[in-house]
Amino acid sequence: GENVEQHPSTLSVQEGDSAVIKCTYSDSASNYFPWYKQELGKGPQLIIDIRSNVGEKKDQRIAVTLNKTAKHFSLHITETQPEDSAVYFCAAIGNNDMRFGAGTRLTVKP
Amino acid sequence: IAGITQAPTSQILAAGRRMTLRCTQDMRHNAMYWYRQDLGLGLRLIHYSNTAGTTGKGEVPDGYSVSRANTDDFPLTLASAVPSQTSVYFCASSGDSGKAFFGQGTRLTVV
Repeated sequence: GENVEQHPSTLSVQEGDSAVIKCTYSDSASNYFPWYKQELGKGPQLIIDIRSNVGEKKDQRIAVTLNKTAKHFSLHITETQPEDSAVYFCAAIGNNDMRFGAGTRLTVKP
Repeated sequence: IAGITQAPTSQILAAGRRMTLRCTQDMRHNAMYWYRQDLGLGLRLIHYSNTAGTTGKGEVPDGYSVSRANTDDFPLTLASAVPSQTSVYFCASSGDSGKAFFGQGTRLTVV
């Protein structure tokens, strides 16, 4: 099955700085890569996703890049704000078997 | 019901007891999933179902069973709970777009 690795496990940035979270996957058949944000006591919520036929996607302050050859994808958050503080998960999907990375706890210091 | 709903929200269960966690969605999504979330281990897939009538095993299926009698419901059963099954359980569903939506979770403590 798919194996997804995510780094770093924790990330602390100053408000206004950028944050980058990286993931790698093992199954070349995976074709859909979503990112989720989880706040304390809540379920994960989809914030952005990318499909294997696209190299980059941007939505306001959030962007995701995908390198299919190297089997890695990254989340970029610019101009971070305290409300961006949460745990972020990457995932890879192929054949409806959705596997997650271990998560990154992002702290944005005011 | 709007979206995906899990019940109960939390439960304390004696070891050896049987327990069913409920999950219902009203989005007519074909695929549904059960995950457990433990500190430092992220979300691990227990079982999944691509469509009504079919199920598959995920990363950590032992000790759990699922059924998918219809599109909306995907219950997860612990036949004989053990303390290592103490966790937060999340149900999710996804449609043709692949975008998955999660329930609010069930916090289960096995004592």
